Amino acid sequence: DTAVSQTPKYLVTQMGNDKSIKCEQNLGHDTMYWYKQDSKKFLKIMFSYNNKELIINETVPNRFSPKSPDKAHLNLHINSLELGDSAVYFCASSQGRTTNEQFFGPGTRLTVL
Amino acid sequence: QKEVEQDPGPLSVPEGAIVSLNCTYSNSAFQYFMWYRQYSRKGPELLMYTYSSGNKEDGRFTAQVDKSSKYISLFIRDSQPSDSATYLCAMRRNRDDKIIFGKGTRLHILP
Repeated sequence: DTAVSQTPKYLVTQMGNDKSIKCEQNLGHDTMYWYKQDSKKFLKIMFSYNNKELIINETVPNRFSPKSPDKAHLNLHINSLELGDSAVYFCASSQGRTTNEQFFGPGTRLTVL
Repeated sequence: QKEVEQDPGPLSVPEGAIVSLNCTYSNSAFQYFMWYRQYSRKGPELLMYTYSSGNKEDGRFTAQVDKSSKYISLFIRDSQPSDSATYLCAMRRNRDDKIIFGKGTRLHILP
């Protein structure tokens, strides 16, 4: 009965490859997020969706493309992976875009070789 | 200058001590202030949030906001080994805005 789940948990891949990370929440929340946490533990928002509509799109390379097929799912596709993309990617959800409490998934640890 | 500054630590204290964790910020427009706790290899979870200045208490945890100094604190009383984690401060300008996180302070409570 995990609230926010992500797959895969670990991802090791070569530079130049394309990969996807999937996220699902069973909390009935309207808003979902992607965050990147780099090696220095700095957690920074990348994207946010509210009711499947993109509402936050930070300065992220367009190699990163989010997709929300429905309110419960938010996937992240990354093209042409680079060494600097190595990080932990967290999915999160909240009841609404104005709610301070966000529920985070366990993270996907991406290593680009 | 980063919008939110937080000493990364690590901070090691003996069990039972009072812990003080702090953040400073530069944007006076921030109104909502949060503390998230992140255990190793896990996602962050919300501990407490406050609106504007003042104190808020929840069990062993007290959050303080001093908007005049642009300084927020989290106090942990009677610290336990299970409190060992990274504590991230976070803030936002208004309820529609994104949340900005500090880098987090690693805390070790020594038994």
